[in-house]
Amino acid sequence: DTGVSQDPRHKITKRGQNVTFRCDPISEHNRLYWYRQTLGQGPEFLTYFQNEAQLEKSRLLSDRFSAERPKGSFSTLEIQRTEQGDSAMYLCASSTTDRTEAFFGQGTRLTVV
Amino acid sequence: GNSVTQMEGPVTLSEEAFLTINCTYTATGYPSLFWYVQYPGEGLQLLLKATKADDKGSNKGFEATYRKETTSFHLEKGSVQVSDSAVYFCALRGTDSWGKLQFGAGTQVVVTP
Repeated sequence: DTGVSQDPRHKITKRGQNVTFRCDPISEHNRLYWYRQTLGQGPEFLTYFQNEAQLEKSRLLSDRFSAERPKGSFSTLEIQRTEQGDSAMYLCASSTTDRTEAFFGQGTRLTVV
Repeated sequence: GNSVTQMEGPVTLSEEAFLTINCTYTATGYPSLFWYVQYPGEGLQLLLKATKADDKGSNKGFEATYRKETTSFHLEKGSVQVSDSAVYFCALRGTDSWGKLQFGAGTQVVVTP
């Protein structure tokens, strides 16, 4: 069990650029979640995959955001035309179907300048 | 909808002091309850959990009891150490939520020698 891995750990981008983050869940976990955490706040749910199917998207996930999980393994989160308000920590978590606890990665900190 | 309210920080304590962080929730049915801890620059780590009323979760000297009658899940530790300095998040997993977590805003704990 190598844990949930996220890449990159830090990303600085100019406003208007596109960015993509990657999450590698724990290998036997078929549930994968993306959260966003802004400074001084708790994480907020963005989207959820069970295997390769994206089953829920938060209203926080605007049209500029897209997430994929091809083949039910790793996942990517893309933000198009980034805005300063997108600056946050993006957290990925995974879990198995029959367990309640989710394991989190260390996150990708995005700064939009 | 579901919500979690936890006491605001920062909470500043001396080493070996008693720590309590209050957490109350609003949810339908019987959610599962969690405490996560976030050390500086790191992702979230599960500290403890409780999945039904009157369950007590415990780990590393921390305890929390799931109180259905008061909709609470307060975190306690009898004697804190400097290494317990972190941000603590209370969270719930609803019964119909695909496993996604609803977090409180977090409570920063600072333990001084």
